[in-house]
This record gives sequence, C-alpha cells and structure tokens, in this order.
Amino acid sequence: GQQLNQSPQSMFIQEGEDVSMNCTSSSIFNTWLWYKQDPGEGPVLLIALYKAGELTSNGRLTAQFGITRKDSFLNISASIPSDVGIYFCAGRNNFGNEKLTFGTGTRLTIIP
Amino acid sequence: DSGVTQTPKHLITATGQRVTLRCSPRSGDLSVYWYQQSLDQGLQFLIQYYNGEERAKGNILERFSAQQFPDLHSELNLSSLELGDSALYFCASSVESQETQYFGPGTRLLVL
Repeated sequence: GQQLNQSPQSMFIQEGEDVSMNCTSSSIFNTWLWYKQDPGEGPVLLIALYKAGELTSNGRLTAQFGITRKDSFLNISASIPSDVGIYFCAGRNNFGNEKLTFGTGTRLTIIP
Repeated sequence: DSGVTQTPKHLITATGQRVTLRCSPRSGDLSVYWYQQSLDQGLQFLIQYYNGEERAKGNILERFSAQQFPDLHSELNLSSLELGDSALYFCASSVESQETQYFGPGTRLLVL
C-alpha cells in the first residue's frame, strides 16, 4: 500500500544531541500525526497537527505541519535514553479516504 | 496505557489454521482500525469499522475478515494461515471516523 517517505531510516546519536526527522508525501494531507513505538509495543501518539504551518510542542518534542501540506518535521531536543524507539509519521487527507497512511519509520538509537 | 485492549498478547499456531484476534476500543470510541506490522516494517492498514459497519478497506487479504459487534469490540479473523502472516497485529480506535487513532499493545502472531 501507499506509504510516506520518511527519513532518515535510522539514526545513531549520543545522549544530549538534538534529533530531526521528516516525512514527505506526493499527496496533500490535512492531518499529520507523529507516533513513537517501543519494541513489541503499540505506537503511542506524540503530536497531532491539523493546520498547514502549525508548530506544536510536547515537552522536548516539536513538530511542524509543512506549508505545502506535503511534509512534516519532528525535532527532539536534548535526547535521553528513553527516546530510543521507532518514530512514525502518519497523514490523512480527509478527501473521501479517511485511512491513515504511515511513514516507513525512523529508528532512533542512542549510543552510550 | 492507551485504553485500547487486545487479546491475546501472543499467539503461536501452525500453517493452515485459523485464529481470532480481539480488540476492545477505548470507552466512547466508535471507530476501530486493524493494522499489520511485519518484522521491521511499517504499519499496513487492513480495515476500519465505524459503529458496527465496515468503513474503509486497505490491504486486507481475502483469507482475513473482521467485524465489529454491537458493544463495539472487534475481532479480526485470519484463516488458512501462512508463514508470511507472522506479524504484529494492532488495533486502534478513535471517537469518530476521522479523529486521532489510539493504538492497543498488539497481538504477536507466529505461524510455524
């Protein structure tokens, strides 16, 4: 099925570093969501974005809804060990197709 | 804890068998979604139910079927199982059809 292009696929960083990842689509979306998945667990919603240009924070996490509505960005500041996991973006266009389309995921590893 | 429950947590079965996965949505949520996640892969949308009716269909095989009952819990039936059906199966729920989805902990299916 259709998937969003998410990059990078994986990141290896040191504790305390900032992290940036993004998601791009060939289609316009009206909603962007960012989820985090720990190994063997279900994805947990981090941030929801509903408006082009919107910038929303959740603690050390900040996400933006791109102006073109075809992309979104997630930044994590001052990473800590519990940030390890897979981050997924998801988009929905609400134009008669209500299903979420998920990105391929960014696997974040923190090097001690 | 998202409020979405899934049972069983783990399931081991043989090829050719049939299994049923169960999901209880968050209290008040009318929509239920099923996803498949194979090893190190993204989430593939299978099917959505809203208030007992099928609302959207994704990449769901003909060997798979689902339903949502009057009490809003849902079951995903997988039959004639193949080795490739081994995966994590997630259920998610939302209040309305286009609202943010909250995921359950998943059922890990292993077909031997």
